[in-house]
Amino acid sequence: DGGITQSPKYLFRKEGQNVTLSCEQNLNHDAMYWYRQDPGQGLRLIYYSQIVNDFQKGDIAEGYSVSREKKESFPLTVTSAQKNPTAFYLCASSHSGTGGVGYTFGSGTRLTVV
Amino acid sequence: GQQLNQSPQSMFIQEGEDVSMNCTSSSIFNTWLWYKQEPGEGPVLLIALYKAGELTSNGRLTAQFGITRKDSFLNISASIPSDVGIYFCAGPYNTDKLIFGTGTRLQVFP
Repeated sequence: DGGITQSPKYLFRKEGQNVTLSCEQNLNHDAMYWYRQDPGQGLRLIYYSQIVNDFQKGDIAEGYSVSREKKESFPLTVTSAQKNPTAFYLCASSHSGTGGVGYTFGSGTRLTVV
Repeated sequence: GQQLNQSPQSMFIQEGEDVSMNCTSSSIFNTWLWYKQEPGEGPVLLIALYKAGELTSNGRLTAQFGITRKDSFLNISASIPSDVGIYFCAGPYNTDKLIFGTGTRLQVFP
């Protein structure tokens, strides 16, 4: 079955450490996205990529980095520069040109700074 | 920047009651989407609306695309415990990016 997989489900990070969240899809989608979810604030776009080897900043990119070396994979690194990284992180993918209708979301990674 | 405001923020209702929630925008959208997120999961698309005034149903869910194109409404009839979750409205901007509302958290008591 096609889908989008995020790992790990739960992640604990010490202050000052970088951590990488994995996102893999086998839907043959061109576009991939990372969103951050905080209580009462909805989902906010961190980074997105519409083709391999290309990505753009979203609304809250500071303190995060991404890569898109393969169509199937779009890992997100939360760096030590991110001042408040504790949140629920959601990855999504879609075919390009669908106007956002064809989004498929992963099950999320909950990151906690300890 | 664009914002999508949802109301109410949360609802606590009894099983069998009907639910209404809405979403308003500072900008016009050509597509309105409604998603449901269950605890610990990613959002799942419920309904997509493409035309001002459009009314679309998906089982007990009915959504409407506002005439001004700056708002949308979601109704759930005869709620059941599995309706629990967070409901988000969303609209596309800059081709494939989605902006999401702040969410309405629904709790259903038996």
